[in-house]
Amino acid sequence: KAGVTQTPRYLIKTRGQQVTLSCSPISGHRSVSWYQQTPGQGLQFLFEYFSETQRNKGNFPGRFSGRQFSNSRSEMNVSTLELGDSALYLCASSLQQAQETQYFGPGTRLLVL
Amino acid sequence: SQKIEQNSEALNIQEGKTATLTCNYTNYSPAYLQWYRQDPGRGPVFLLLIRENEKEKRKERLKVTFDTTLKQSLFHITASQPADSATYLCALATSGGSYIPTFGRGTSLIVHP
Repeated sequence: KAGVTQTPRYLIKTRGQQVTLSCSPISGHRSVSWYQQTPGQGLQFLFEYFSETQRNKGNFPGRFSGRQFSNSRSEMNVSTLELGDSALYLCASSLQQAQETQYFGPGTRLLVL
Repeated sequence: SQKIEQNSEALNIQEGKTATLTCNYTNYSPAYLQWYRQDPGRGPVFLLLIRENEKEKRKERLKVTFDTTLKQSLFHITASQPADSATYLCALATSGGSYIPTFGRGTSLIVHP
């Protein structure tokens, strides 16, 4: 089975712009979670989607949003980018909601200038 | 406040020795604790999960212990190899909620040949 894929792998944006990141989960997996990883804060949970519905949300501002499609693929959007949004954005998939074992993708490295 | 602490200093050991990494937590009632491995530029890879009512788990050269009285988990890699060099993250999921894991910042392990 193919693993979790994320596109693009690298992205450079400027402050004020918006960005959309994509995640394709492992085939058959219905839950997708998004995380932000920075050297200062570590790995922080953004949100989880299951059956096209956001099930859980972390403590991030409303500029961070996401959605899930009927094929379980997910997108994450960040509007009005700030320098502090520079990070590695990771997507993880699991068979069901809030399942113990998550499989992470390689991440999208976002740099905001 | 809730905290998950892992040693921020890199652990340097010689090949063949046992590496021991520590994860301490405060103000959590964990349902389970997980250990992940993360290589540079890649997403975390799940290694082991131990539940609150378990004391020890083993998988090949890996061993995890969980002491809910001390609020500590130890992660051991026996007969370490240079290929074990990576950052190791612990993550806690609490019961009575969404089971979304909260991650520590990780400890870098460097195994010298």
